[in-house]
Amino acid sequence: DAKTTQPTSMDCAEGRAANLPCNHSTISGNEYVYWYRQIHSQGPQYIIHGLKNNETNEMASLIITEDRKSSTLILPHATLRDTAVYYCIVRDGTGTASKLTFGTGTRLQVTL
Amino acid sequence: NAGVTQTPKFRVLKTGQSMTLLCAQDMNHEYMYWYRQDPGMGLRLIHYSVGEGTTAKGEVPDGYNVSRLKKQNFLLGLESAAPSQTSVYFCASSYSLQPQHFGDGTRLSIL
Repeated sequence: DAKTTQPTSMDCAEGRAANLPCNHSTISGNEYVYWYRQIHSQGPQYIIHGLKNNETNEMASLIITEDRKSSTLILPHATLRDTAVYYCIVRDGTGTASKLTFGTGTRLQVTL
Repeated sequence: NAGVTQTPKFRVLKTGQSMTLLCAQDMNHEYMYWYRQDPGMGLRLIHYSVGEGTTAKGEVPDGYNVSRLKKQNFLLGLESAAPSQTSVYFCASSYSLQPQHFGDGTRLSIL
């Protein structure tokens, strides 16, 4: 699976959009970009994933560049409850059980 | 619908003791996973299973064994616990290559 690079930490004011970047320059054609988050002491929570098109769900939007070498997770109106570590993961979409390779993620702090 | 349930939530062991961590899911998922998370690090895969009666090694399998006798349960065993196995253990399950659903973890300390 391709490696990802994320900033160690970011701050965001409550009510503003949080834009979390991720670089995955070695991504291959059949690899998906997944985002999970981990709120303190809880298990990781799935947020969103995509292959090459932009995706949106009730939690967030995922913007993938045309060359697929980077992506941005957007939380449109961040709240204090969005304070968490956010993991960007690249995963092969084929084959058998496809493990998730977690890096150290981005620690997002949402402040008043 | 409880999702993924891990038992116990906390445990303290002495070096050399054995124990089993239980993971149960009620979503009829074929795939189940065991991860460990150490302070300041991401999750690392220990073992996984693609179906009842099958298991496979992950990234850090040494010192652990697993069993999947029933589709809904995935057991993680420590035969002789070591301090290096002090960690938070997470179980997850999924349909094939769909997003994984995680439990809330088991915090294990080995003295």
